Amino acid sequence: QLQLQESGPGLVKPSETLSLTCIISGDSIKTDSYWWAWIRQPPGKRLEWIGSIHYRGPTDYYPSLKSRVTMSMDLSKNQFSLKLQSVTAADTAVYYCVRWDGYDGDFDIWGQGTMVIVSP
Amino acid sequence: EIVLTQSPGTLSLSPGERATLSCRASQSVGSNFLAWYQHKPGQAPRLLIYGAASRATGIPDRFSGSGSGTDFTLTISRLEPEDFAVYYCQQYGNPPQTFGQGTKVEIQ
Repeated sequence: QLQLQESGPGLVKPSETLSLTCIISGDSIKTDSYWWAWIRQPPGKRLEWIGSIHYRGPTDYYPSLKSRVTMSMDLSKNQFSLKLQSVTAADTAVYYCVRWDGYDGDFDIWGQGTMVIVSP
Repeated sequence: EIVLTQSPGTLSLSPGERATLSCRASQSVGSNFLAWYQHKPGQAPRLLIYGAASRATGIPDRFSGSGSGTDFTLTISRLEPEDFAVYYCQQYGNPPQTFGQGTKVEIQ
């Protein structure tokens, strides 16, 4: 059974870089039908798609975050990562790693989520 | 980008009752690419419906989705105790994909 698990610091200082990793278990990251994504939910706000990456290389980022976001993969470790530069308090959120079905277009498997607080 | 507005914000119902949740898009959703998710505190969100009306694997048939264009509905025919949660709609027909603000279904 496919499972996703986020890992990374729960506290990041303003202006620094937020770094998270998603470890995939129960299936290979190298699947043509699926992309791998990050979604976040700031406190009291709606879910927000951050970006997606495919194991063959292409990435797709939310336009308003594109200048600060980098996603990458480590195929040997079956994991993918998120880097968000120059964070502010507005980046405080629960961050989820998610599998995106490239055919049906939905997010079909989610991690439990990890809270990241941006504070001095 | 498409803005999704869900209503009502909170739905107070009793087990066994029918729940009707609405999701309205600011413009037509391409190919009716709309999904619904259930989210309980401390758990991962769960995909319920994709393509506006197709149930995801393992989802009970008391959950159904309908609608097209700008108006979509999630119906829970008879609420079970485990159905009390927050429900989100999401569109992926017009990039970037976006989510609604959620409807909380609570026990009356």
